[in-house]
Amino acid sequence: DAGVIQSPRHEVTEMGQEVTLRCKPISGHNSLFWYRQTMMRGLELLIYFNNNVPIDDSGMPEDRFSAKMPNASFSTLKIQPSEPRDSAVYFCASSPGLAGTNTQYFGPGTRLTVL
Amino acid sequence: AQSVTQLGSHVSVSEGALVLLRCNYSSSVPPYLFWYVQYPNQGLQLLLKYTSAATLVKGINGFEAEFKKSETSFHLTKPSAHMSDAAEYFCAVSGISSGSARQLTFGSGTQLTVLP
Repeated sequence: DAGVIQSPRHEVTEMGQEVTLRCKPISGHNSLFWYRQTMMRGLELLIYFNNNVPIDDSGMPEDRFSAKMPNASFSTLKIQPSEPRDSAVYFCASSPGLAGTNTQYFGPGTRLTVL
Repeated sequence: AQSVTQLGSHVSVSEGALVLLRCNYSSSVPPYLFWYVQYPNQGLQLLLKYTSAATLVKGINGFEAEFKKSETSFHLTKPSAHMSDAAEYFCAVSGISSGSARQLTFGSGTQLTVLP
């Protein structure tokens, strides 16, 4: 299996621009998670989906952030407009099911820099 | 509510020495506990997990952890450190009830340095 695929791996953009991060989960996994990692705040869960339906978006920092999962094999995280404080590594993870004993498999991350 | 506390944000050991990374949890439901490792510029990957089957859990790369309910701990150990073990290690907890307890809550991480 190719694992969780994220693109792009690196993104540099200017403040005010729209940024779209993409994720392809492992085939057969029905839960998908978006995390953000920074030195200051550590690893934060932003939103998660089950069977393509958003379950909990309470971790999304602001209305500038939105996430979609149009089908079982694709999800996007969009920031519009972007700000320098959004600079972080964004991880997508997928899992056979919600939490419990299920292992989450992480992608390699997208390193976002907003100038 | 559930939470994880990792004692020591940085741990240094000599190559060949014992590795001990500490994790204490708080959970209102029977917990499931995980250790993940993150190598530089990579995503997190599972080292091992406790699912109530056995209190001593063996993982990859020679790591193991012991669940101690009385101490609410799940410390990670390895008898002999290798240079390739240098990475950041995250403890995480999840539960079986609804809402946020069904999701992973991560600790703040411990950076392990292995000295030659």
